[in-house]
Amino acid sequence: GDSVTQMEGPVTLSEEAFLTINCTYTATGYPSLFWYVQYPGEGLQLLLKATKADDKGSNKGFEATYRKETTSFHLEKGSVQVSDSAVYFCALYTSPGANSKLTFGKGITLSVRP
Amino acid sequence: DAMVIQNPRYQVTQFGKPVTLSCSQTLNHNVMYWYQQKSSQAPKLLFHYYDKDFNNEADTPDNFQSRRPNTSFCFLDIRSPGLGDAAMYLCATSRIDRDTDTQYFGPGTRLTVL
Repeated sequence: GDSVTQMEGPVTLSEEAFLTINCTYTATGYPSLFWYVQYPGEGLQLLLKATKADDKGSNKGFEATYRKETTSFHLEKGSVQVSDSAVYFCALYTSPGANSKLTFGKGITLSVRP
Repeated sequence: DAMVIQNPRYQVTQFGKPVTLSCSQTLNHNVMYWYQQKSSQAPKLLFHYYDKDFNNEADTPDNFQSRRPNTSFCFLDIRSPGLGDAAMYLCATSRIDRDTDTQYFGPGTRLTVL
């Protein structure tokens, strides 16, 4: 079945540091890939997405490129801020239709120190 | 702004006392989802409605029920909450016939069972 694997956390960085959060996937067909962010006590917000190979999703300084050859969708940001502290979930979605569903990774907590 | 709204944001109930959580949306999406998220875990899909068609996940306990009286509203009923049902409950929506792969989440309802 479909699955998403995220690197183990938590991750603690200093402000303005470079961020990489690894995500790899296993899926049948051609999934769409997502990063969702969850701030403390809140629901999930869509951060970015990519729907086909070599697409790059970007938002708020975050980027991720859909790499079919390595089945990866790593999240990067050049300079993190304290306000980026949150939990980040990688997810995939296959077979759009009435019974389709998101498959999430376990999530990783990012803490950014001033 | 079009959005997904969940009420209440925080709900306290007693062991075994029925509770209902509410979700409404102004996005006019035809699919609505309910997820359960326990501390430090990924969201777990309980069930979803595609229009009026109810789709239950195989491992969702019978204690959890749902109603969708119209396009805009969806309710999660927990008939006899146990201590293990304390969690964040997330509602999400999507539109199958366009932008088919993006789910939009509400802020969640945090349920405490005493």
